[in-house]
Amino acid sequence: AQSVTQLDSQVPVFEEAPVELRCNYSSSVSVYLFWYVQYPNQGLQLLLKYLSGSTLVKGINGFEAEFNKSQTSFHLRKPSVHISDTAEYFCAVSPAGGSEKLVFGKGTKLTVNP
Amino acid sequence: DAGVIQSPRHEVTEMGQEVTLRCKPISGHNSLFWYRQTMMRGLELLIYFNNNVPIDDSGMPEDRFSAKMPNASFSTLKIQPSEPRDSAVYFCASSSTGGGRNTIYFGEGSWLTVV
Repeated sequence: AQSVTQLDSQVPVFEEAPVELRCNYSSSVSVYLFWYVQYPNQGLQLLLKYLSGSTLVKGINGFEAEFNKSQTSFHLRKPSVHISDTAEYFCAVSPAGGSEKLVFGKGTKLTVNP
Repeated sequence: DAGVIQSPRHEVTEMGQEVTLRCKPISGHNSLFWYRQTMMRGLELLIYFNNNVPIDDSGMPEDRFSAKMPNASFSTLKIQPSEPRDSAVYFCASSSTGGGRNTIYFGEGSWLTVV
């Protein structure tokens, strides 16, 4: 079975500052990794995903994430955040080549202040 | 293209009443998921269908919950009888089969309040 730990439940930052949202996973098999974003009162939408190949993955809205197999991490970064990035961010994992179901972390609430 | 469509968007019901949530997945997708989101427990997978067949219902909390997928374009999640602790946002999501590689697309959720 897979599990995901998001180490920070809330991250406040100022506009134009860099941000890193941390995600660690546990799995006995190879995995695919995802970051989803949820804006207030909306469903989740995909930011980026790691399937294979380059460990640095670029997504929408200027976000990127780096897969680190030795540390079982998949941290999300953005060099300069905007007010509009205020949302909840979810890290998720699925077994590579396995079932379709995703296991989500508990989420990190990012608040960007002016 | 239309995304995943859920109804109702909001429902307030009294304890003991039956609640039915509906979902229309994206056309061509053959995997469908029901998730529940609460502050305490985060996002939990309730049940997962593939080609209209329930594959994993281990997340369904108890017998009061049931889900069906009579055809490729429609699914329901029913709670009978409802209880206050069922208050949550229920998301339906769909994807095409791809060994876990494919993006899962979420609906906007059904916000359920049981009083």
